[in-house]
Amino acid sequence: DVVLTQTPPTLSATIGQSVSISCRSSQSLLHSNGNTYLHWLLQRPGQSPQLLIYSVSRLESGVPNRFSGSGSGTDFTLKISGVEAEDLGVYYCVQGTHAPRTFGGGTKLELK
Amino acid sequence: EVQLVESGGGLVKPGSSLKLSCVASGFTFSSYGMHWIRQAPKKGLEWIALIYYDSSNKYYADSVKGRFTISRDNSKNTLYLEMNSLRSEDTAMYYCAKGLRVMDAWGQGASVTVSS
Repeated sequence: DVVLTQTPPTLSATIGQSVSISCRSSQSLLHSNGNTYLHWLLQRPGQSPQLLIYSVSRLESGVPNRFSGSGSGTDFTLKISGVEAEDLGVYYCVQGTHAPRTFGGGTKLELK
Repeated sequence: EVQLVESGGGLVKPGSSLKLSCVASGFTFSSYGMHWIRQAPKKGLEWIALIYYDSSNKYYADSVKGRFTISRDNSKNTLYLEMNSLRSEDTAMYYCAKGLRVMDAWGQGASVTVSS
């Protein structure tokens, strides 16, 4: 199975600060069809997860453009350019290239 | 608006069975693969099952293989998870999610507690 390793597990930030989260995969997530199915989710406290970014860098509809994703192969990054209070919660990377689907362990973003 | 509404959760004893449902609306249910994902208390997300749009393929996590069965009824826009031989470690919030390779919509979850 593909193992997704997220770092750091916890991130403390002030409002307005820019932060990055890393997701490293044990195998390449490049599918034979040329797409890379690495996505980012946010789970706010008490809520179900929601999709933020799909296929490495594509912003889901309605998601603010302070969120951005980058990477290829096995190394991926989520960046938040100017944290806002509503961004607090746990971020997960998830891969849709290989079966079974797998999630990263999560990164909790909290206020400093 | 896409909506996924889970139901059927509850408190059950070890060894018993439970069947979860996920009713979909706001999209063409019969065109999309669907997943079940669970989250144990204070833990991360665990993918447990996937079914293709036409039920032609089903996949399971090793942790539930042989005990859980995913199915769907496209005429009722409903996804199911039949859970047998439940264990304490199956205690979790169970979410359904839409999309074969991108889980782009999630339900609010159904809580399952397995305890004697």
